This record gives sequence, C-alpha cells and structure tokens, in this order.
Amino acid sequence: DVKVTQSSRYLVKRTGEKVFLECVQDMDHENMFWYRQDPGLGLRLIYFSYDVKMKEKGDIPEGYSVSREKKERFSLILESASTNQTSMYLCASTQWGSANVLTFGAGSRLTVL
Amino acid sequence: DAKTTQPTSMDCAEGRAANLPCNHSTISGNEYVYWYRQIHSQGPQYIIHGLKNNETNEMASLIITEDRKSSTLILPHATLRDTAVYYCIVRVPNTGNQFYFGTGTSLTVIP
Repeated sequence: DVKVTQSSRYLVKRTGEKVFLECVQDMDHENMFWYRQDPGLGLRLIYFSYDVKMKEKGDIPEGYSVSREKKERFSLILESASTNQTSMYLCASTQWGSANVLTFGAGSRLTVL
Repeated sequence: DAKTTQPTSMDCAEGRAANLPCNHSTISGNEYVYWYRQIHSQGPQYIIHGLKNNETNEMASLIITEDRKSSTLILPHATLRDTAVYYCIVRVPNTGNQFYFGTGTSLTVIP
C-alpha cells in the first residue's frame, strides 16, 4: 500500500524552539506539499516542491522554511516556533500524470507552549 | 483555479444515500472536479474525480451537471464510518496549480 509517513503524530514544543516536521513518501512522487489545518480555516498551503532542491511558497509561508534534499523526503522547519503555529500539519504528495491525485499523511499535531 | 461552494454541514440516516452538493460556477473547460474526505484526526483521502461524464467507483458516484457548474457526490448506502468532512476541489491536473481545499461539508451519518 502506498504511503506518506509523517514522523511525529503529536509534538509539544516551547516558544522559540526550532522544530522539524519530517515527511517521507514511498511512491517516487515528484511533487510534495505541506499544509496546515486550523478549525474554520480549512487546509492552507504552506510550501510545495516539484523536484529535489526545488521549493515554492504557498499561501502562508511566513515563519516556515522547507528542505527537499532527496526525492522521497520533504521537511518543514519552524525556525523559531510561536504559539500561533500550534496546528495540525499535513504532508501530501502526488505524481505527474494519471489523475494527479494527492496522497496525504496522517498529520502531525503540533502544540507550541 | 475556480473556487467551490459547499454547505457547511449535512446529516444523513444510516443506510440511506448521502448526496453532497458542490457549486463551481466559474469552472473552466479543462478543470476537473475532485472529491476528498477527511475522517477526524486523519489526513484527507481521495474519493473520486471527473471532467464531464458521471463517474462511479467502489466508494462513491460523481454526478456533474451538463453545464459543469455544479456536481454531487453520492454515497449510495451511508454508514457510520462515512461521517467525515468532504471537500470538493476543481483543478487542472498536472499543472503547477494549487489544490484549494476550502472548509468542506461536515457529513454526520445518524444511526
């Protein structure tokens, strides 16, 4: 079964800490995405990547950065976590061609105290 | 990409058909309609997609109006496990365009 795996389901961090959220997919997909999800706001795109070492800003990139050194791994980085970054973070991937369907991970719920 | 409009919430009796509407009146000719659902505390899951013709798979049916300005996702025999938030998205596949999820419809299947 194809998979997108997010390394942590639940994290609790303190304000100012550097936070790494890791996402790995085993489907050889070119495209990977990071979303955050907040009540009443739906899913909002933070960053996406169409290839190794490539990245594009989504709608809400402020306070975040990303890294894609290998095709299967896309990392979201919070350089200095703040309480307003408490959220559910969702990683997804898709392949060019066919239906171009997104496959999501289970999500990482981050709480910043 | 065109935006979509969905009702905020709906109820459906267990065993009955659940019909979830989506309005996409500004859809362009090469945009597909995709449906995803998200069960509580999980990532969204793909259900079905289509361009013009009605589509059916093991999970659901998708009915797209002739003018393509709206569509309906049909879960033919809703079960309690179908309780979820359902998202309708329109997008041109295989482009750099984003997937806009919006806030979806929260479907509650009632025993």
